[in-house]
Amino acid sequence: EIVMTQSPATLSVSPGERATLSCRASQSFSSNLAWYQQKPGQAPRLLIYGASTRATGIPARFSGSGSGTEFTLTISSLQSEDFAVYYCQQYNNWPLTFGGGTKVEIK
Amino acid sequence: EVQLLDSGGGLAQPGGSLRLSCAASGFTFSSYAMSWVRQAPGKGLEWVSDISGSGYITYYADSVKGRFTISRDNSKNTVFMQMNSLRVEDTAVYYCAKEVYTQSGYYMDVWGKGTTVTVSS
Repeated sequence: EIVMTQSPATLSVSPGERATLSCRASQSFSSNLAWYQQKPGQAPRLLIYGASTRATGIPARFSGSGSGTEFTLTISSLQSEDFAVYYCQQYNNWPLTFGGGTKVEIK
Repeated sequence: EVQLLDSGGGLAQPGGSLRLSCAASGFTFSSYAMSWVRQAPGKGLEWVSDISGSGYITYYADSVKGRFTISRDNSKNTVFMQMNSLRVEDTAVYYCAKEVYTQSGYYMDVWGKGTTVTVSS
């Protein structure tokens, strides 16, 4: 099983600032990684797949990068609606596994 | 518009059973794999199971293998999760999700709103 580890657990950021979220995999793989956003009481929403491709309708301020064991989600200028929990997920092997999440909160 | 409507959650006793359903619309259902993902109260996401578009291929997390069974009825655009021998630790919100195929695996591009399963005596 590929274990996904996200850091930090909580990120305090002011609106308009840049946020950088990390996701580390216990085994190396190329680009089979997705990022999801979840707001309280809502279902997750797909942001990024293939490590760097934005899903339909996702604003350009969200970007993904990385390969191997290190992946990053960057939000270039945080908007009020971006404060949420973010999860990475690998789909290189079964079982599909998620990271523990990073909560982005208002500083 | 692609929509997933999950239902069937409720209260069950340890050792009991529940059957979850997820009704899909807005896409060619039989062409897509479907999955169930759960989230225990205050915790992160945990993939539970998925099923191919034809229904012939299924995968399960070790935590539910032998107790849960995923199935689908492509004539009714519905995916099911039969949950038997329920445990307290199965308490969670269960989400169904539409999967997108890649050569290596699947990611989830559309999610239902979730249905809550509580296992308690």
